[in-house]
Amino acid sequence: GENVEQHPSTLSVQEGDSAVIKCTYSDSASNYFPWYKQELGKRPQLIIDIRSNVGEKKDQRIAVTLNKTAKHFSLHITETQPEDSAVYFCAASISGDKIIFGKGTRLHILP
Amino acid sequence: GAGVSQTPSNKVTEKGKYVELRCDPISGHTALYWYRQSLGQGPEFLIYFQGTGAADDSGLPNDRFFAVRPEGSVSTLKIQRTERGDSAVYLCASSLRQAAGANVLTFGAGSRLTVL
Repeated sequence: GENVEQHPSTLSVQEGDSAVIKCTYSDSASNYFPWYKQELGKRPQLIIDIRSNVGEKKDQRIAVTLNKTAKHFSLHITETQPEDSAVYFCAASISGDKIIFGKGTRLHILP
Repeated sequence: GAGVSQTPSNKVTEKGKYVELRCDPISGHTALYWYRQSLGQGPEFLIYFQGTGAADDSGLPNDRFFAVRPEGSVSTLKIQRTERGDSAVYLCASSLRQAAGANVLTFGAGSRLTVL
């Protein structure tokens, strides 16, 4: 079955700098890659997703890139702000059905 | 309802007991998912329903775990003969598939299960 690896497990960046979180997946049939943000004590919420027919997608300060050949995808957050502090999960799915999550990256934004 | 509702929010039980966790999805959402999240880990897939049927139950750890969704709305996750290793937050999510391949999950607040 699908396996999603996520790195790093913890990331600290200075406020205003960029943060990058990387994921790899194992099943070449996967074609849908969402990212979820989970703030402390809260439920995960979708922040951005990408389908395999595009290589990059942007939404304001957040972007996701996908390399299907290498089975890599990454989340990029620019101009980080204190409210970006949270745990971020990448996930992979075939056609949006069974969605498999990575173990998460705890992002700390330093003042 | 306005969101995904899960009950109970907290359940403490003794090893060997039976537990039921309930999920009430967003009205009209056809897909319903159960995940298990341990401290510091990502959501671990258990099972998902499309309508009343279990479309994929490959994540259920063993035959002590079972889930139903008899009328295509509310779902119940049932755990028999609970073990300490079952302690986790059980997350339910529902979705309305709006575009082929995309699937935005709306999560509930979770049911925290503690097995003593």
